[in-house]
Amino acid sequence: DAMVIQNPRYQVTQFGKPVTLSCSQTLNHNVMYWYQQKSSQAPKLLFHYYDKDFNNEADTPDNFQSRRPNTSFCFLDIRSPGLGDAAMYLCATRLGADDEQYFGPGTRLTVT
Amino acid sequence: RKEVEQDPGPFNVPEGATVAFNCTYSNSASQSFFWYRQDCRKEPKLLMSVYSSGNEDGRFTAQLNRASQYISLLIRDSKLSDSATYLCVVNAGNTPLVFGKGTRLSVIA
Repeated sequence: DAMVIQNPRYQVTQFGKPVTLSCSQTLNHNVMYWYQQKSSQAPKLLFHYYDKDFNNEADTPDNFQSRRPNTSFCFLDIRSPGLGDAAMYLCATRLGADDEQYFGPGTRLTVT
Repeated sequence: RKEVEQDPGPFNVPEGATVAFNCTYSNSASQSFFWYRQDCRKEPKLLMSVYSSGNEDGRFTAQLNRASQYISLLIRDSKLSDSATYLCVVNAGNTPLVFGKGTRLSVIA
């Protein structure tokens, strides 16, 4: 059974048109993460939540926002996507400080 | 200095070969260490955790040298299915994991 689910798997949006990516988890983990990954690069952390506490990375553009309405769900909002925002967006969860992260399958975003 | 540095790759090896990947980390407070595997256009998946005493899982052996801040992954008897990118991942307690850029492995028949 899938533990971290991301929808949609593929998203095409137009330049400047807002888009929302979603992530849900069945693991009841407190920590959730959003990463951006471009080809041949490491996943780049955008933000993470410890329960309801939101942590934004210093270099995450203001264009990216996130919501976590409850433990199970987390959303990534891109307010005005640019061509440079085309990437794989990975959601991950983690139980505690020394534990592994579980990744969702990712959403591949294309900006036209 | 980058937080986690890996061999640049790509590594192209024949089936059956033994291949080793190295990784160094800069944060001496790091406590947890992992190797993740990522297939093309897929999400990273945990390959193995790395313990101070070293650990082995079948053909895969991971070692940690805290004094040198160095982690390694050894793959013996390489299979075609081992072709992937291997990410070195480090954690310093209650902070997000830090990923290396990954080393790409191609096993050739």
